[in-house]
Amino acid sequence: GQNIDQPTEMTATEGAIVQINCTYQTSGFNGLFWYQQHAGEAPTFLSYNVLDGLEEKGRFSSFLSRSKGYSYLLLKELQMKDSASYLCAVLDDYKLSFGAGTTVTVRA
Amino acid sequence: GAGVSQTPSNKVTEKGKYVELRCDPISGHTALYWYRQSLGQGPEFLIYFQGTGAADDSGLPNDRFFAVRPEGSVSTLKIQRTERGDSAVYLCASSFKGSQETQYFGPGTRLLVL
Repeated sequence: GQNIDQPTEMTATEGAIVQINCTYQTSGFNGLFWYQQHAGEAPTFLSYNVLDGLEEKGRFSSFLSRSKGYSYLLLKELQMKDSASYLCAVLDDYKLSFGAGTTVTVRA
Repeated sequence: GAGVSQTPSNKVTEKGKYVELRCDPISGHTALYWYRQSLGQGPEFLIYFQGTGAADDSGLPNDRFFAVRPEGSVSTLKIQRTERGDSAVYLCASSFKGSQETQYFGPGTRLLVL
């Protein structure tokens, strides 16, 4: 089976940094994705890690450690529009298995 | 089109009725996926199409659910004898070829069974 865990909620202040952790235990692994999902909207692709290390893309960075079954998404210089749910997902061939999502609330 | 589109955006039906949900993938994408997302949860895999054929339908919850993709583009998810527990957001995604690729999601169809 697939087990993907991430915190339910996080709150941070505008301009700050937030780190969302994700741990996983899956039967197969072909990469880890982070998606952003605003309420009532489609999940939108943020990042993809298949090798260990840090991938940086603007204000967003994602880290992967395959040996530890661990990833994090780092959001820098938080803006109000970053308030959303962030989904960690593990890819096994063609099938994505998702965590329940972390709701991030950015306060002024 | 520019992205994955789904219709209708919302569907309210009564228990026992039949519904069809449509997905139009990104042009040129051969792989298409259906997921179901319940409130407060991440999406759960239902079915994967490679071209016209269902390569993996292991996520369909029971035989009331069926999906087709007759011409390898648009797909329809069909639910017979709907039950209140079927209420969820049904998401469609597509990718260029299928295996080990980024999947791009549509806005979903919010199904409410009364």
